[in-house]
Amino acid sequence: DVKVTQSSRYLVKRTGEKVFLECVQDMDHENMFWYRQDPGLGLRLIYFSYDVKMKEKGDIPEGYSVSREKKERFSLILESASTNQTSMYLCASSYRGESSPLHFGNGTRLTVT
Amino acid sequence: GQNIDQPTEMTATEGAIVQINCTYQTSGFNGLFWYQQHAGEAPTFLSYNVLDGLEEKGRFSSFLSRSKGYSYLLLKELQMKDSASYLCAEKDSNYQLIWGAGTKLIIKP
Repeated sequence: DVKVTQSSRYLVKRTGEKVFLECVQDMDHENMFWYRQDPGLGLRLIYFSYDVKMKEKGDIPEGYSVSREKKERFSLILESASTNQTSMYLCASSYRGESSPLHFGNGTRLTVT
Repeated sequence: GQNIDQPTEMTATEGAIVQINCTYQTSGFNGLFWYQQHAGEAPTFLSYNVLDGLEEKGRFSSFLSRSKGYSYLLLKELQMKDSASYLCAEKDSNYQLIWGAGTKLIIKP
């Protein structure tokens, strides 16, 4: 079974703090993604990566950055956390290929106070 | 931009059949996915359609009509554990997924 592991299930941070969300997958997937999920909205793509050291902006990259130094690890960084970044963050991975489904981690619920 | 529409909430009875609809814009279509998400958990893959027609997988089936920009997920012999949100996602012309807001399905005994 594919396993996508996110480092924290719940996180509480203060406004202005730098926040790191880590994601590791064990299936040698080329593609990795960071989404945020908010009530009443569809999943929104923050950043994605198709290969090591490669990153592409998604629909809502402002206030975020990412790092992919190794194939299995994709990190999301909030440079200076703000209250509007309070959300559920979901990491996902997949093989290349149009029909390849995403495999999601269990999510990190981040609260910024 | 792209828009995915699905009902916000549906209620059905244990043992019955329910159909969850999803409509999308038809330009640049590259496939339609359905995912299931239980409360507090990660979404899990259910089905993928890229050609017209019905794909059956046990109690769950998914249908696609590309000309109408329409898909549905059909759940038969409903069980209490089917209470979850069902997410529809279209793969667009850039091969990126556009997600619906999800349909919360409530199963009553």
